[in-house]
Amino acid sequence: NAGVTQTPKFRVLKTGQSMTLLCAQDMNHEYMYWYRQDPGMGLRLIHYSVGEGTTAKGEVPDGYNVSRLKKQNFLLGLESAAPSQTSVYFCASSSPGLLRNYEQYFGPGTRLTVT
Amino acid sequence: DAKTTQPPSMDCAEGRAANLPCNHSTISGNEYVYWYRQIHSQGPQYIIHGLKNNETNEMASLIITEDRKSSTLILPHATLRDTAVYYCIVGDDSWGKLQFGAGTQVVVTP
Repeated sequence: NAGVTQTPKFRVLKTGQSMTLLCAQDMNHEYMYWYRQDPGMGLRLIHYSVGEGTTAKGEVPDGYNVSRLKKQNFLLGLESAAPSQTSVYFCASSSPGLLRNYEQYFGPGTRLTVT
Repeated sequence: DAKTTQPPSMDCAEGRAANLPCNHSTISGNEYVYWYRQIHSQGPQYIIHGLKNNETNEMASLIITEDRKSSTLILPHATLRDTAVYYCIVGDDSWGKLQFGAGTQVVVTP
């Protein structure tokens, strides 16, 4: 199993450009999450999904949109990138059920720079 | 407000036990304690979790005080590959929304 994969690994955007980050998992997990990590800081939750077709806001959702059209994929979109969105983006997935949703499996990250 | 307090850094000698403290004095009765670690530039990795009782798995042991206001993660025989940032997290959110703090940077030295 590949686990959780993220595409692309690196990206440089100009202010105002848009892009979509793709997260895919092959573990048949119901729950998926998008986090961002700024230098020297812990991860912060952007959006999450508890199942196909559902999404919800996390701690820092402004400037991002998400979609979960297929169970195995979770897309994170930036409609108009800003320098403040320069960060490393991590995707994670987990199984539902008591406590299992805290045992999250993370992808390798996408390093995004907005100039 | 942060739910946990951890020292910013600590060193450990290779082969020795690493004891990582975490303070969570405001933890409520239905909140669990979770530990993750993040090796440089990689995604975080789940280590262990617990409620009241001490827990052990193949990676580590978790000791929770009787009043549950603090806990200690123990890496029994630290190796160089254990060098990482370790995060202590508390929560009961059924949706699994993890709240990461700054963590403890652990450096294992030869």
